[in-house]
Amino acid sequence: RKEVEQDPGPFNVPEGATVAFNCTYSNSASQSFFWYRQDCRKEPKLLMSVYSSGNEDGRFTAQLNRASQYISLLIRDSKLSDSATYLCVVNAMDSSYKLIFGSGTRLLVRP
Amino acid sequence: DAGITQSPRHKVTETGTPVTLRCHQTENHRYMYWYRQDPGHGLRLIHYSYGVKDTDKGEVSDGYSVSRSKTEDFLLTLESATSSQTSVYFCAISAPATGLHGYTFGSGTRLTVV
Repeated sequence: RKEVEQDPGPFNVPEGATVAFNCTYSNSASQSFFWYRQDCRKEPKLLMSVYSSGNEDGRFTAQLNRASQYISLLIRDSKLSDSATYLCVVNAMDSSYKLIFGSGTRLLVRP
Repeated sequence: DAGITQSPRHKVTETGTPVTLRCHQTENHRYMYWYRQDPGHGLRLIHYSYGVKDTDKGEVSDGYSVSRSKTEDFLLTLESATSSQTSVYFCAISAPATGLHGYTFGSGTRLTVV
């Protein structure tokens, strides 16, 4: 079983749509959670951290469910520029501070 | 953006040759990481460093070695390149507490082994 699992997609949605991605993680001791965005042939960039109480950044809302070990990302009012791959990320909970990346969910927003 | 650069950006090399990729940071961060990214596998950790001369293996370290003689530079060496090492390689840096800040990535090196 992968440590972080995501639906690879692609999710193909029209502009203005609301789309949600989920991911699950296997290490119940994980304490830090993130969503990264990766554009084609570019490096991943931090989109937002995910906090236990849930958090919002403009059109983006992240939620964490520790009991079920899943993380979600909701994008409202999708823009063409939101087309990218979204990576779910958790920390490894060891001394390396390393992060474990999901394989990503691809989003395509069409006009 | 954080100061992290990778070189070269692209490289084509022949099977069996040694290859060294460089990651350079100007942020004075202690932790540095090398990942490779392949379709269907996502980002996989090769090696990481937690200080000068302090390195450790990741999940896919076979065939790779690293060195960190200065805080700002983390080198990844493919000792004898194979076609299976054709990939995109990303370097990342983090402040001590990734729980707060996550990573910042370099722009990547596209390596093709022919």
